[in-house]
Amino acid sequence: TQLLEQSPQFLSIQEGENLTVYCNSSSVFSSLQWYRQEPGEGPVLLVTVVTGGEVKKLKRLTFQFGDARKDSSLHITAAQPGDTGLYLCAVNSNSGYALNFGKGTSLLVTP
Amino acid sequence: EAGVAQSPRYKIIEKRQSVAFWCNPISGHATLYWYQQILGQGPKLLIQFQNNGVVDDSQLPKDRFSAERLKGVDSTLKIQPAKLEDSAVYLCASSAPIRGAEAFFGQGTRLTVV
Repeated sequence: TQLLEQSPQFLSIQEGENLTVYCNSSSVFSSLQWYRQEPGEGPVLLVTVVTGGEVKKLKRLTFQFGDARKDSSLHITAAQPGDTGLYLCAVNSNSGYALNFGKGTSLLVTP
Repeated sequence: EAGVAQSPRYKIIEKRQSVAFWCNPISGHATLYWYQQILGQGPKLLIQFQNNGVVDDSQLPKDRFSAERLKGVDSTLKIQPAKLEDSAVYLCASSAPIRGAEAFFGQGTRLTVV
């Protein structure tokens, strides 16, 4: 099982601020997924990145996959209270395709 | 399209009792996962099925946890006997059997062991 390190663990910011969260590992992955989980719900896929150096944008969210495909970042511009949630990165195991998650970054955006 | 269905939503039991959770995946999804999520942490994979066969159960505490997926559709996860540290949300997810495929999650079952 690959170890995914997510940072920071917690983040509390005010509406309108920018933020970046990180997902790091010492292993190389063929792809990496980002999910968001709201309280009382299951995680929902935001994006999948597959190519080293790839950048994907989803409205105010920008996802980047590291050149070496070992790490990824998620940048949120002008955060809104609706962005509040647990942000999780996930990868398939190299031995199969079991989907393993990091511990997540818990984001709170206050008005 | 119907999503992943789980029941019950909430369960409170005393330690040493047994409990079972049920999951109905999205129609046609061959891969089914059970995860345990402790409050504030990411989901921890317990077991992965491909149709009705087990692909990965390396993190399943087999002395007390068991799971089955009869006929490759619905699945049940059982804990017997439960311990206080089993208090968590149990999430079921399903996906197409493709590496990197999106996993669709149910709302989970929140278990409290007292």
